Amino acid sequence: GENVEQHPSTLSVQEGDSAVIKCTYSDSASNYFPWYKQELGKRPQLIIDIRSNVGEKKDQRIAVTLNKTAKHFSLHITETQPEDSAVYFCAAWNTGNQFYFGTGTSLTVIP
Amino acid sequence: DSGVTQTPKHLITATGQRVTLRCSPRSGDLSVYWYQQSLDQGLQFLIQYYNGEERAKGNILERFSAQQFPDLHSELNLSSLELGDSALYFCASSVGDALYNSPLHFGNGTRLTVT
Repeated sequence: GENVEQHPSTLSVQEGDSAVIKCTYSDSASNYFPWYKQELGKRPQLIIDIRSNVGEKKDQRIAVTLNKTAKHFSLHITETQPEDSAVYFCAAWNTGNQFYFGTGTSLTVIP
Repeated sequence: DSGVTQTPKHLITATGQRVTLRCSPRSGDLSVYWYQQSLDQGLQFLIQYYNGEERAKGNILERFSAQQFPDLHSELNLSSLELGDSALYFCASSVGDALYNSPLHFGNGTRLTVT
């Protein structure tokens, strides 16, 4: 089955700086990669996703890049704000119709 | 609001007891997933149903079972509860087509406390 690794497990940045979270996957059949943000005690919420036919996608301050050859994808948050503090999960989906989640990154933005 | 409804929001029960968690997926979604999230832990996949049939099984204990009904709502049954079963249980739904990927939409979860 698929194995998704996520790094780092914790990340602290100063407000206004950028944050990068990286994930690797093992199954070349995986072709859809969503990212979720989970605030304390709340549900994971989809923030951005990318499909395997696209190398990069942006939505305001967040972007995701995908390198299919290396089997890794990354979340980039620019101009971080305190409200970006949360746990972020990456995931990979393949035609087995299963989602495989990374272990999460706890991001703290220091004002 | 994700459109996924989970009830109850909170559940407090004693060890050895049995509880049922309920989930109604978003309108049009055929696939339902159950996840367990213990304190400060990641999302542990339990089980997935698609249009009433079990599609995939994850780290689900034998004491746990689930089903998806003809109206597509799903129930997760947890029996012989232990202290370690205390966790946040999320239901998520998606369109669920095996050939077309679509994102998961999570409900607000049921927080289970076993005392």
